[in-house]
Amino acid sequence: SAVISQKPSRDICQRGTSLTIQCQVDSQVTMMFWYRQQPGQSLTLIATANQGSEATYESGFVIDKFPISRPNLTFSTLTVSNMSPEDSSIYLCSVAGDRRPYEQYFGPGTRLTVT
Amino acid sequence: AQRVTQPEKLLSVFKGAPVELKCNYSYSGSPELFWYVQYSRQRLQLLLRHISRESIKGFTADLNKGETSFHLKKPFAQEEDSAMYYCALNTDKLIFGTGTRLQVFP
Repeated sequence: SAVISQKPSRDICQRGTSLTIQCQVDSQVTMMFWYRQQPGQSLTLIATANQGSEATYESGFVIDKFPISRPNLTFSTLTVSNMSPEDSSIYLCSVAGDRRPYEQYFGPGTRLTVT
Repeated sequence: AQRVTQPEKLLSVFKGAPVELKCNYSYSGSPELFWYVQYSRQRLQLLLRHISRESIKGFTADLNKGETSFHLKKPFAQEEDSAMYYCALNTDKLIFGTGTRLQVFP
């Protein structure tokens, strides 16, 4: 499985500001994903980020709020824009294997608190 | 609708007792199912995939298409099994259940 790191591991931000989260993988992967895990809840997919194409967002998530970059096969960023306290969550990136059943492997997460 | 249901938020057992964490799914296609585990202060990690029919850390999970279930079982729970367990269904994306917290008491 791939080794995935995220930066920052945690941050406290003021409302109205933006934070960019980085996800680095130690091998080239086609499919990367961004998830949100709100306190006490399960994981919700924000978007799929495949290199060479625009990110695909899930219902309830929009590019203006969560712009994503995927400049190469080992790196992606997620920006949380114009933050409000409701954005306080853990944000995780994951990568998928190349073969069925395409299991996913997760980064350690970024714990974001918006005050 | 595609859905994963984990009916128990919390499951508490004593060390050595059998454990069964329930997972039911709703999906019209051929399901690909996983169990993920998150130990305290650690990242989410893959525990089992149904396609492999494997036993990891003493845990097994059998896909029952008739009952649309993929329950996770272990005959003798250990304290180190205490963690959050998520069942997940892979369609064109990974759909997670709400998770079950397993507490194993000494």
